[in-house]
Amino acid sequence: DQQVKQNSPSLSVQEGRISILNCDYTNSMFDYFLWYKKYPAEGPTFLISISSIKDKNEDGRFTVFLNKSAKHLSLHIVPSQPGDSAVYFCAAARFTNAGNNRKLIWGLGTSLAVNP
Amino acid sequence: DAGVIQSPRHEVTEMGQEVTLRCKPISGHNSLFWYRQTMMRGLELLIYFNNNVPIDDSGMPEDRFSAKMPNASFSTLKIQPSEPRDSAVYFCASSFTRMATEAFFGQGTRLTVV
Repeated sequence: DQQVKQNSPSLSVQEGRISILNCDYTNSMFDYFLWYKKYPAEGPTFLISISSIKDKNEDGRFTVFLNKSAKHLSLHIVPSQPGDSAVYFCAAARFTNAGNNRKLIWGLGTSLAVNP
Repeated sequence: DAGVIQSPRHEVTEMGQEVTLRCKPISGHNSLFWYRQTMMRGLELLIYFNNNVPIDDSGMPEDRFSAKMPNASFSTLKIQPSEPRDSAVYFCASSFTRMATEAFFGQGTRLTVV
């Protein structure tokens, strides 16, 4: 049972255009959301995050939007660049019973291709 | 800083053999995580340590899996005996805090059990 879903396995956009990657979650207890980027043969790298008390967080070309009522978040990349081509993972965190640590639940990823 | 270092990068072994994956976290980080990535299930947290102590091992799939962290700079994940369904990419990650967020990942070990 996937608690974090990325329904689009792949996305292709033109350089300079906007890339929108979507993520849905089912657990209303999630209180922190993250996006990671992964290049082939490398581990995921942290990109941007958002707390459930906010609905938007921006960092340069990357903006994450959170819609709690719809249990949906999205990552916008503007403008998209060929170097953004990677797999993007959405992850959600909730407090666990084990010492209040946050355990990440991951989506399966969306492969983004930015074409020159 | 060299980042999180995992070894080996690739491992091919026969079913029934013991496999040991190794991880050196970033110096100064006090939390360490072992993840497994498969096509079907994505990234799954197997176990994480805080200050070398296992905090949550609920993701460890079976007793065949074990993990240790004898000191702050080294951890191992052992599978004994290995099975073909254990084939996956195993990632180690570390972070400054107990929160499993914004962790830094190693490059992973691709394990193939034949």
